[in-house]
Amino acid sequence: QKEVEQDPGPLSVPEGAIVSLNCTYSNSAFQYFMWYRQYSRKGPELLMYTYSSGNKEDGRFTAQVDKSSKYISLFIRDSQPSDSATYLCAMNPGTASKLTFGTGTRLQVTL
Amino acid sequence: NAGVTQTPKFQVLKTGQSMTLQCAQDMNHNSMYWYRQDPGMGLRLIYYSASEGTTDKGEVPNGYNVSRLNKREFSLRLESAAPSQTSVYFCASSESLHGPRTDTQYFGPGTRLTVL
Repeated sequence: QKEVEQDPGPLSVPEGAIVSLNCTYSNSAFQYFMWYRQYSRKGPELLMYTYSSGNKEDGRFTAQVDKSSKYISLFIRDSQPSDSATYLCAMNPGTASKLTFGTGTRLQVTL
Repeated sequence: NAGVTQTPKFQVLKTGQSMTLQCAQDMNHNSMYWYRQDPGMGLRLIYYSASEGTTDKGEVPNGYNVSRLNKREFSLRLESAAPSQTSVYFCASSESLHGPRTDTQYFGPGTRLTVL
C-alpha cells in the first residue's frame, strides 16, 4: 500500500464548477501538507501548504486537512479553463525528511 | 531571473550508455533535489543536497550518482543507463538548510529521458 493515495482522474468539470481534489495517507507522523499544480510538460509549482489540521484559504483555493481521518482536500471555486492541470498532494513530518507525493489528479475544466 | 534550469530537455540513450543531467538555480538556494516522475508512481526523490558540499540518498538512488558542484549547480549522472530509468527527471531547489522540509521547492522544467 502506498503511503499517499490519490485518484489519478481524469476529472472533467464545466467552467464555474466547484472542484474537490483529495488525498488519503497512512503515516500519522505527517504534519505538513502541500498541494502542487503541474501543467502539461512543466515542473510542479507550489499552490498551498498547511500545517496540521484545519483549513487555509487563498483566493479561489481552499486546502483542508483532517488528521483524524488522514484525509486532505483541495477545493477550487469558480473553476477556470486555466485550472486544467495535474494536482499533486505532498506531505512530510516536518523534519529533515523527504516529501512524499501523491501520484496526481488530472483536472480538465471545459468551456 | 531564470529560476531552476535543466539541460538537456530531451535525451535518448541506448542501454549501457552514460550521461549527466545538469541543473542550475539562480535563487541562492541552499538545498537542491533530483526527482523522477513516472506514470502511476508520482514524484520520487533520487538524491538531495541540503547544502553545498553535502549529498544524501532519497527513495530511489540506485543507478544514479550526484555532484553538488557549487551552490548553484547540482548534476545527476547515470553511469550505465537501463530501460527502467526511462522517466521524466526534475530538479528542484529550496531555501532550506535542512533538506526536504516544508519550505517551497521550486522545480525546473524537466528532462525527458528514454533508454532503449
